Amino acid sequence: AQSVAQPEDQVNVAEGNPLTVKCTYSVSGNPYLFWYVQYPNRGLQFLLKYITGDNLVKGSYGFEAEFNKSQTSFHLKKPSALVSDSALYFCAVSQTSSNSGYALNFGKGTSLLVTP
Amino acid sequence: GAVVSQHPSRVICKSGTSVKIECRSLDFQATTMFWYRQFPKQSLMLMATSNEGSKATYEQGVEKDKFLINHASLTLSTLTVTSAHPEDSSFYICSARSGTDYEQYFGPGTRLTVT
Repeated sequence: AQSVAQPEDQVNVAEGNPLTVKCTYSVSGNPYLFWYVQYPNRGLQFLLKYITGDNLVKGSYGFEAEFNKSQTSFHLKKPSALVSDSALYFCAVSQTSSNSGYALNFGKGTSLLVTP
Repeated sequence: GAVVSQHPSRVICKSGTSVKIECRSLDFQATTMFWYRQFPKQSLMLMATSNEGSKATYEQGVEKDKFLINHASLTLSTLTVTSAHPEDSSFYICSARSGTDYEQYFGPGTRLTVT
């Protein structure tokens, strides 16, 4: 079964510092990996995805993620955090069966708090 | 970009009544739609996957007679919570994808409160 793990419940970063939100995956076959962000009482907003190609994926709002096959990781990064980045971040992996419609399995989420 | 809407955004209903939530893809045809449930401070749990014109596929533990899903067109899916109880109170989120993309586009969610 395809799954992802987010080992941190919360990450605290000072504004202007780089941030990393960790995600590791467990899949059979090639992984399709995603990062989404959720603001309070809102749906999820897509940040970026890795399907194939370059290991460094650039996404929305200055975020990027590096696919590392040897470490089975897909950590989300940003060089300089903003207070407005404070939100709940979800890593997800796609089920690879077309019968499943490529449904997503989500990690538990990591709350990011950026302080001024 | 692809936009998915949900209606209503919030609903309060009495125990025993039924509630229908709509999910619409506004600017693309959604061959597949998904329904998720999210409890406070928790992750999204997939409830069911629906393909246009066919029956939904429910995840293990999700009662299909309680959570009725209809995907009658390429832009609309509905989730009906039948005979709602307080434990059904939750944040329900739909998402949609087209046949050409692995990416899912999420609706803004519906907060259901059953009193």
